[in-house]
Amino acid sequence: QKEVEQNSGPLSVPEGAIASLNCTYSDRVSQSFFWYRQYSGKSPELIMSIYSNGDKEDGRFTAQLNKASQYVSLLIRDSQPSDSATYLCAVNDGVTGGGNKLTFGTGTQLKVEL
Amino acid sequence: GAVVSQHPSRVICKSGTSVKIECRSLDFQATTMFWYRQFPKQSLMLMATSNEGSKATYEQGVEKDKFLINHASLTLSTLTVTSAHPEDSSFYICSAEGGSYEQYFGPGTRLTVT
Repeated sequence: QKEVEQNSGPLSVPEGAIASLNCTYSDRVSQSFFWYRQYSGKSPELIMSIYSNGDKEDGRFTAQLNKASQYVSLLIRDSQPSDSATYLCAVNDGVTGGGNKLTFGTGTQLKVEL
Repeated sequence: GAVVSQHPSRVICKSGTSVKIECRSLDFQATTMFWYRQFPKQSLMLMATSNEGSKATYEQGVEKDKFLINHASLTLSTLTVTSAHPEDSSFYICSAEGGSYEQYFGPGTRLTVT
């Protein structure tokens, strides 16, 4: 059973702080990793993808991947109230011939407080 | 880029009737589309993988005769919920696969069966 684990939160950070969201996964052969943001009542929105070990930065967002430790994280710098949402970690199936299914974590709720 | 639309956004139907939901990739072609269901305060649950020109692959526990999927073109997949019952009331979300296994989600369809 492939698993993607996230702390459900809520994670509360003050406005302007760095929010750190973490995710671990069980399937060692997973190759592709994604972070989605989901506002309440809305569908998920892709905000970051990462495929290689190390850091990947895009604006205020930085994704970090460590395949040896099987974790992926998302840092949000200068957090804004509009960042308040549930963040879903998703991992590619990784099975040869299994194609492109994603396994999603249950999400971490982030609250950015004024 | 990578815009996915869904129609309708909301639908209310009577128990025993069928409902069709359309998912379109507007600015790219998608060989593969996915259908998810999400209950309140729960994570996404993959229902099926839809491949253009071939039969859909259903996840374990999802009735293929109840949830009919057609992927007749590279930009359109449809999900038909047949003989809907109140327990089918949920948020149905499609996604289309772009490059590098990235999935782009439609805005979702909220189905209420009375």
